[in-house]
Amino acid sequence: DAGVIQSPRHEVTEMGQEVTLRCKPISGHDYLFWYRQTMMRGLELLIYFNNNVPIDDSGMPEDRFSAKMPNASFSTLKIQPSEPRDSAVYFCASTERGNQPQHFGDGTRLSIL
Amino acid sequence: KNQVEQSPQSLIILEGKNCTLQCNYTVSPFSNLRWYKQDTGRGPVSLTIMTFSENTKSNGRYTATLDADTKQSSLHITASQLSDSASYICVVSADNAGNMLTFGGGTRLMVKP
Repeated sequence: DAGVIQSPRHEVTEMGQEVTLRCKPISGHDYLFWYRQTMMRGLELLIYFNNNVPIDDSGMPEDRFSAKMPNASFSTLKIQPSEPRDSAVYFCASTERGNQPQHFGDGTRLSIL
Repeated sequence: KNQVEQSPQSLIILEGKNCTLQCNYTVSPFSNLRWYKQDTGRGPVSLTIMTFSENTKSNGRYTATLDADTKQSSLHITASQLSDSASYICVVSADNAGNMLTFGGGTRLMVKP
């Protein structure tokens, strides 16, 4: 299996622009997670899905952030409008079920100028 | 508030030497504790997962211990190799489903020849 695939790997854009991050989980994994990693705050869970349904979005920082999972093989994390403080590495992870290892993608490094 | 504290923040050792990384947590309820390895520019990779009833688990040269009474865990690396240079992140799950993860800030390990 190719693992969790994220795109793009790097994104640089100006503040105010819309940003869309994409994730393809490992086939057969029922859970999908979005994380954000910064030097100051480390890794933080933003939202997770089970069978394409959002289960907990309490980590989403504010209304500018939204996430969707239209089918079992694709998810997006959207920021609109983007701000410089959104600059971070965003990871997607998937797992077959809870209490199992989560498999992470290699992340999207986002820079908002 | 759920917290995971790791020490030291960074560590430099010579190739072939052993080392031990520490993790203290205040997470309730407790479901499981995980150790991840994160290479620079990559996503975290799971090393071990332990439930409260397990007090040790090994994965090759990596051995994790857990004391659920004192809420402490350690990761011992034996006969270090250059490829062990990475950040090691302690992660605690606070829900029975094992999906709500609280991450420590990580220990950055550098192994020198």
